[in-house]
Amino acid sequence: LAKTTQPISMDSYEGQEVNITCSHNNIATNDYITWYQQFPSQGPRFIIQGYKTKVTNEVASLFIPADRKSSTLSLPRVSLSDTAVYYCLVGDFTTGGGNKLTFGTGTQLKVEL
Amino acid sequence: GAVVSQHPSRVICKSGTSVKIECRSLDFQATTMFWYRQFPKQSLMLMATSNEGSKATYEQGVEKDKFLINHASLTLSTLTVTSAHPEDSSFYICSARTVTLPSGGQETQYFGPGTRLLVL
Repeated sequence: LAKTTQPISMDSYEGQEVNITCSHNNIATNDYITWYQQFPSQGPRFIIQGYKTKVTNEVASLFIPADRKSSTLSLPRVSLSDTAVYYCLVGDFTTGGGNKLTFGTGTQLKVEL
Repeated sequence: GAVVSQHPSRVICKSGTSVKIECRSLDFQATTMFWYRQFPKQSLMLMATSNEGSKATYEQGVEKDKFLINHASLTLSTLTVTSAHPEDSSFYICSARTVTLPSGGQETQYFGPGTRLLVL
């Protein structure tokens, strides 16, 4: 299973763009990169998933370079409610893939006024 | 997105009793579900992979006789903590892998809200 490395914590202010980078040097060919958000005493919430290049949805963007050894989650104009732990994971979601996800330490994002 | 529910959300029990936690995929069928445990200030730790109609696969160090998993249907998996002890107190979270979503969306894992277990 590919291991991921993220910063332990990040601080930001409301209205700023936040970029959280994750490294996954031994990512496998079939692995997808997925980001989750977790609030205290809640299950992780799916944010975004990608395989390569750039993916964008209504809440975030995910940038993946050509070598796929890292990825960057971009949160535009964060608010206080974005204060949470963000996990970067890689896993095989192809048909027949193991789908097992190994959670790293995650990044505690703190947003202040 | 896909919705996964868990019941109960919180349970308090006496030491030595057994507790059953249900995990349901509400709007999709899940051939594979996963059970995690999370201690305070720590990350999620995968306990086992539950496949519909077959025996669960446990991670190293997880006692299969203590944490009984049943995945009897495509929308329900249960985790039973047998003879619970205070050290089993934790936050238990399930997830379900989507295969296809009728409304479209991403094939990935969706997590339930978690169950807080406190063993006295």
